[in-house]
Amino acid sequence: EVQLVESGGGLVQPGGSLRLSCTASGFTFTAFGMSWVRQAPGKGLEWVSGIITSGDTTYYADSVKGRFTISRDNSKNTLYLQMNSLRAEDTALYYCARRGIPSYWVDVWGQGTAVIVSS
Amino acid sequence: EIVLTQSPGTLSLSPGERATLSCRASQSVSSSDLVWYQQKPGQAPRLLMYRTSSRATGTPDRFSGSGSGTDFTLTISRLEPEDFAVYYCQQYTRSPLTFGPGTKVDIK
Repeated sequence: EVQLVESGGGLVQPGGSLRLSCTASGFTFTAFGMSWVRQAPGKGLEWVSGIITSGDTTYYADSVKGRFTISRDNSKNTLYLQMNSLRAEDTALYYCARRGIPSYWVDVWGQGTAVIVSS
Repeated sequence: EIVLTQSPGTLSLSPGERATLSCRASQSVSSSDLVWYQQKPGQAPRLLMYRTSSRATGTPDRFSGSGSGTDFTLTISRLEPEDFAVYYCQQYTRSPLTFGPGTKVDIK
């Protein structure tokens, strides 16, 4: 069964940092680009970042560029999102997603990990 | 950035009725690089349609997609109780990938 399991969410103060992880199973991780999509409480979906199979090319939404860094460890089947300089508007449920990079739609979603930025 | 606009914001219909959801892009979406997702409360989104008109695995044939360029449509021919949800379109032609704001289909 294809599965994406996120972890690392929590409560953090404005200006703080957090690293999200997503462990993939049930498919060949190295064959797929990966991405992060978030959803603020009661709001719609916002694509955050994507990364190609090798990790050499990354993509970011303007709202997080320069603050967030996406990476992957193909030996561990794990995707990461390092989030720095967090703001209240970054509060959201963060979904790990398979694909979701240019030319490739998201076809599998995780269940999400909640990030709350508040003092 | 390609901005997607969805209309209407909310569609109130009864089971058995036909639903027509619109998604309009600010720039042309190449090669029909548009998908639709369905999201129910408390759940992750689920892929419904890809490449504008191809049904994802498990999507019933009462769902159909059409369109090209800047105008796209998702049609549900006869609403079933499980179809009441929020529907998002998304373009994946170029970064940043963008979503529409969603159309909520609720029970009249």
